[in-house]
Amino acid sequence: RKEVEQDPGPFNVPEGATVAFNCTYSNSASQSFFWYRQDCRKEPKLLMSVYSSGNEDGRFTAQLNRASQYISLLIRDSKLSDSATYLCVVNTGRRALTFGSGTRLQVQP
Amino acid sequence: EPEVTQTPSHQVTQMGQEVILRCVPISNHLYFYWYRQILGQKVEFLVSFYNNEISEKSEIFDDQFSVERPDGSNFTLKIRSTKLEDSAMYFCASRRGEVGQYFGPGTRLTVT
Repeated sequence: RKEVEQDPGPFNVPEGATVAFNCTYSNSASQSFFWYRQDCRKEPKLLMSVYSSGNEDGRFTAQLNRASQYISLLIRDSKLSDSATYLCVVNTGRRALTFGSGTRLQVQP
Repeated sequence: EPEVTQTPSHQVTQMGQEVILRCVPISNHLYFYWYRQILGQKVEFLVSFYNNEISEKSEIFDDQFSVERPDGSNFTLKIRSTKLEDSAMYFCASRRGEVGQYFGPGTRLTVT
């Protein structure tokens, strides 16, 4: 089983749509969780940390379900500039980050 | 806003040659990392560095690889004898607290 598993997509959505990505992780000892975004041939950029209580940053909402080992990201009112690959990232406490393969989002006009 | 920088942006080398990839982490960060991403694949951890020593390394980080922090600002990754399969984007990252790691723009290494 992959350590961090994501649907590769692509998700093609119109501007203004709400889109949700999911991710599962295999290591129950994982301690920290993040969403990064990566544009084509660029570095991963930290989008937000994910907390058990759920957290929101503008149009972005992240949720963590430790019992199900499941992480989600919700993007409301999608913009063209949201088009990117969204990476689910887990830290198992060893400090190294384990990346999912990413979910590609294409927002269309 | 402070950022991680990396040089060169692109390095072409012949198989068997040594390469050194350079990084300048964010100045008040204490933890440093190297990752790589082969084209079309996911980002993979190579090594982490804290307090002037390696704190963790992956299976990828074999004897051909080494890291160094030669002064107070630079952090380098050396590949002693490059192989074709070392062709990838190499990202440096740094972290201070628990917020998350910040990545540099990467060095694209092409081994011919």
